[in-house]
Order: sequence, then C-alpha cells, then structure tokens
Amino acid sequence: DTAVSQTPKYLVTQMGNDKSIKCEQNLGHDTMYWYKQDSKKFLKIMFSYNNKELIINETVPNRFSPKSPDKAHLNLHINSLELGDSAVYFCASSQGLAGGTYEQYFGPGTRLTVT
Amino acid sequence: GENVEQHPSTLSVQEGDSAVIKCTYSDSASNYFPWYKQELGKRPQLIIDIRSNVGEKKDQRIAVTLNKTAKHFSLHITETQPEDSAVYFCAASIRDYKLSFGAGTTVTVRA
Repeated sequence: DTAVSQTPKYLVTQMGNDKSIKCEQNLGHDTMYWYKQDSKKFLKIMFSYNNKELIINETVPNRFSPKSPDKAHLNLHINSLELGDSAVYFCASSQGLAGGTYEQYFGPGTRLTVT
Repeated sequence: GENVEQHPSTLSVQEGDSAVIKCTYSDSASNYFPWYKQELGKRPQLIIDIRSNVGEKKDQRIAVTLNKTAKHFSLHITETQPEDSAVYFCAASIRDYKLSFGAGTTVTVRA
C-alpha cells in the first residue's frame, strides 16, 4: 500500500556510467516531481510532469532526462554520471496541476553514489 | 525566481521548551507556504501549511504564522519532545505547482 515508491533505494556506480531511477505512485495524482537533495540537505526541484506533460524544467544538465510513460510513473535517466551527481533523489506527487497548494507526497528517496 | 531564506540552520532545545524557525521569501506573489519535516534517513513529510489569506494556523503543538507585508513566516513548536528532532524545511510557492524550499533547520531536542 506504498503511496510513492522508488527503485532502487541505493545506487552505487562509476563515473561515466548511465543509470535510471524509477518512480511510481498509486495515489491517483496528476502531478509528479523529481527533487535532488545534496549533502547539505538542500532540496531543489529538478522536473515536474502533469498528466505526462513536462511543466517544470529547472536548470539541470541535459545529462538528466525525465520520462513519464503514464501519469502514475516518472523515471529519471542520467547519462555520463559525474561525482557531483552524488545525492539523494526524491520523487514526489501531488493532486492536480495546482501541486503547490496540495500536499506533495515524497517517495523514500534513492541514494546515488558516484565513485 | 522565488528565494526562500531559513534561520537558524541548527537549533538545540531542551525537552519541553519551544522552538521557533523563521523564513523569509522574496516574491510578494507567493501564496502558499508549507512546512515539511524530514527525520534522519526518511522522506520529507508535510506537517502544516498556510495560505496567503490566513495569518495564523495551529495544529496541536505546531503553529505557523505569516506576515505578508514583511514577507516572512514562522514555525512554532511548543512543548518539544524527542520525536520532534528532525530537519524542518519551509517552502514558498509562487506558482501553484512549484515549491522553493529553504535550506532547512536541524532541530535537536535534548532530553
């Protein structure tokens, strides 16, 4: 009965590799997000999709590419991983397009370590 | 874009005392201000939120106040307990679907 789930929970990989993180929500929400939380705990929005349409695309290297196959899923693919990509990546979802005025439900996070 | 500043970055309080965290925002068009709590190794979770047409909101031991003129809002936790130890994030929404988070406050409640 998990609301927002992410896989994998931990990801350790070498520089230059390509990796993907998957996110699924079973809340029936229309809006999904990817956040990056760095080592200083700062939470920053990366992308947001509403009904499979990209609505937020922050200043993120184009090595990061989100993909939403349907409104319950939002995946994040990262090419040519760099040391600075090491962080915890959180997926979140909220009801409707007005995501900011509705609670955002976060997934458990994926801790990415690039060596 | 919206810029949210949060103070203090760390806060240590004796169990039973109150804790106050303050945030300021830059854009007067912001209309939604949630607070999230993140326990160690866990996901952020909403604990309380306030909209721009309200000055104060309470939920048991937690309260949030908003001063739109000064563009600042605060989280108040009364009668702190060990389970209140966590990182607290304020956020502001200039558009309905985008949150700008503060840098977080690590609260430690001493027994």
